[in-house]
Amino acid sequence: GIQVEQSPPDLILQEGANSTLRCNFSDSVNNLQWFHQNPWGQLINLFYIPSGTKQNGRLSATTVATERYSLLYISSSQTTDSGVYFCAVEDPYYGGSQGNLIFGKGTKLSVKP
Amino acid sequence: EAGVAQSPRYKIIEKRQSVAFWCNPISGHATLYWYQQILGQGPKLLIQFQNNGVVDDSQLPKDRFSAERLKGVDSTLKIQPAKLEDSAVYLCASSSAQWEKLFFGSGTQLSVL
Repeated sequence: GIQVEQSPPDLILQEGANSTLRCNFSDSVNNLQWFHQNPWGQLINLFYIPSGTKQNGRLSATTVATERYSLLYISSSQTTDSGVYFCAVEDPYYGGSQGNLIFGKGTKLSVKP
Repeated sequence: EAGVAQSPRYKIIEKRQSVAFWCNPISGHATLYWYQQILGQGPKLLIQFQNNGVVDDSQLPKDRFSAERLKGVDSTLKIQPAKLEDSAVYLCASSSAQWEKLFFGSGTQLSVL
């Protein structure tokens, strides 16, 4: 099946700093999503971005499908950005036609005041 | 717009007991997913419903886990009997179409003692 690798595994930032999180995947995909899991466990969908670039406030994401990676940019980080960021891609080889969204292990972000 | 509702929020049981989790997806979302998230890992798909039919349950341990989505709206996931390794967070998600943008509930944290 498809492999999803996220880096770095851990990141500590001072409030106001910028950061880039990376997601590499082992095969071409038609579906890629970024999620933020806050310290209370709630998973929030940040982006549905199989290709191209999207922006939402201080967050933006870029997926270069041909090169099999996606980047999540966080600008002017705030303490509320703390948590784990997951990249998830659809496995093209899973279950024939039904698909399965495979999650990476995540990047744990801690933003210090 | 109401999000995905799950209950209970926490559950502690002893091994070999049974437990049930409930999920109500976002109104109008045809696709419903149950995920298991073990501490320190990304969520892993257990079962996927499209309306009231099972699309994929290949990763569901059917000797002890069962799930249903009567009337194509809310869903229940049951474990009987529970094992120590079932300790995890059980997340429900829904989307308007298969593998479109997923929205997650706040999860049920299960501890099996």
